[in-house]
Amino acid sequence: EIVLTQSPATLSLSPGERATLSCRASQSVSSYLAWFQQKPGQAPRLLIYDASNRATGIPARFSGSGSGTDFTLSISSLEPEDFAVYYCQQRSNSWTFGQGTKVEIK
Amino acid sequence: EVQLVQSGTEVKKPGESLKISCKGSGYSFTNYWIGWVRQMPGKGLEWMGIIYPGDSDTRYSPSFQGQVTISADKSISTAYLQWSSLKASDTAMYFCARQAAVHWYFDLWGRGTLVTVSS
Repeated sequence: EIVLTQSPATLSLSPGERATLSCRASQSVSSYLAWFQQKPGQAPRLLIYDASNRATGIPARFSGSGSGTDFTLSISSLEPEDFAVYYCQQRSNSWTFGQGTKVEIK
Repeated sequence: EVQLVQSGTEVKKPGESLKISCKGSGYSFTNYWIGWVRQMPGKGLEWMGIIYPGDSDTRYSPSFQGQVTISADKSISTAYLQWSSLKASDTAMYFCARQAAVHWYFDLWGRGTLVTVSS
């Protein structure tokens, strides 16, 4: 099973700052990696698919990059509604999620 | 409206059986995979398994194989997740989600079904 390790566990930032989240795979997943956002009491929402493609309706401040084993989700300027938990997920070999990164208000 | 509607909150005792549901509407249910995701209290997301309602082809995560059964009834556009004997450790929120045909990730989610197992 492919293990995804996200870092940091928690990111404390202020609105307007840039957020950089990392996801590392235990073996290559090519570009088959997605990012999801989850707010308390809600279902997850797809943000990025295949490493760098924004899903329908996702603002341009969200961007993804990487391939192989190292991936990054960037939020260029945090809006109040962006404070949430973010998960990466791979689909290269079955499907697995990372453990999540919480982006909290500093 | 394209949506997945999940069944309501369940409170069960250890050893009891349970079947929760996920009904799709507003799209061709038989043409998209439906998956299940577990979220234990205060924890992250866990991919459990997936089914293609068109032919009932089903895949399980190794962690959940033999622990749950995923099924679907395409005549009523509904997918199911069931347990034959619940444990306290099955207490969690369970989400169903549709897998997009374009990119094979979950693009449409239900609101979740909370399952509490307690004696």
